[in-house]
Amino acid sequence: QKEVEQDPGPLSVPEGAIVSLNCTYSNSAFQYFMWYRQYSRKGPELLMYTYSSGNKEDGRFTAQVDKSSKYISLFIRDSQPSDSATYLCAMRSAGGTSYGKLTFGQGTILTVHP
Amino acid sequence: GAGVSQSPSNKVTEKGKDVELRCDPISGHTALYWYRQSLGQGLEFLIYFQGNSAPDKSGLPSDRFSAERTGGSVSTLTIQRTQQEDSAVYLCASSKGSGNEKLFFGSGTQLSVL
Repeated sequence: QKEVEQDPGPLSVPEGAIVSLNCTYSNSAFQYFMWYRQYSRKGPELLMYTYSSGNKEDGRFTAQVDKSSKYISLFIRDSQPSDSATYLCAMRSAGGTSYGKLTFGQGTILTVHP
Repeated sequence: GAGVSQSPSNKVTEKGKDVELRCDPISGHTALYWYRQSLGQGLEFLIYFQGNSAPDKSGLPSDRFSAERTGGSVSTLTIQRTQQEDSAVYLCASSKGSGNEKLFFGSGTQLSVL
């Protein structure tokens, strides 16, 4: 079983829809949680970064962390065709030599059609 | 430079040959990371540099893989005696320092081993 599970989709939604992307994890040592967006033939770019359980909002994006359930989510409101990309969750544990070692989910392919 | 630069962008090689992949991080970034992205596998951590030292090289798949960083800047990932299972996109990222999760990724090197 992988440490981080993410439904690869693909997910296809109409423009303006609310998108929900999710990851579950098994390693209770994970303390820091991130969402990355990756366009085709490009490297991932950081969208959201959270530490504690709860919600964090940035524009149309909301990241949610539930450490008790080992479950994280990314919500995209008023989705746009430009949001079409692969979305990757990532996480890491705290301290030691773990700073650089992110564990990624498999990525969810999202298409927003006009 | 403006971003993380990787070269070559594409590399086709024959099984058994050695390859070198280069990464030029963002100027001033002290931390540098190598990840591998394969179909169906997501991003896998390979190695992480802080300055010229590698506190965590636990993700290197075998002793055929090695990496170095000189002058706290450019890094080279070397794969000796390449195998077909080494085919993947090799991504480099940099960040301002340890504990800074804002990783800036390059566009990667697509390695194909025939």
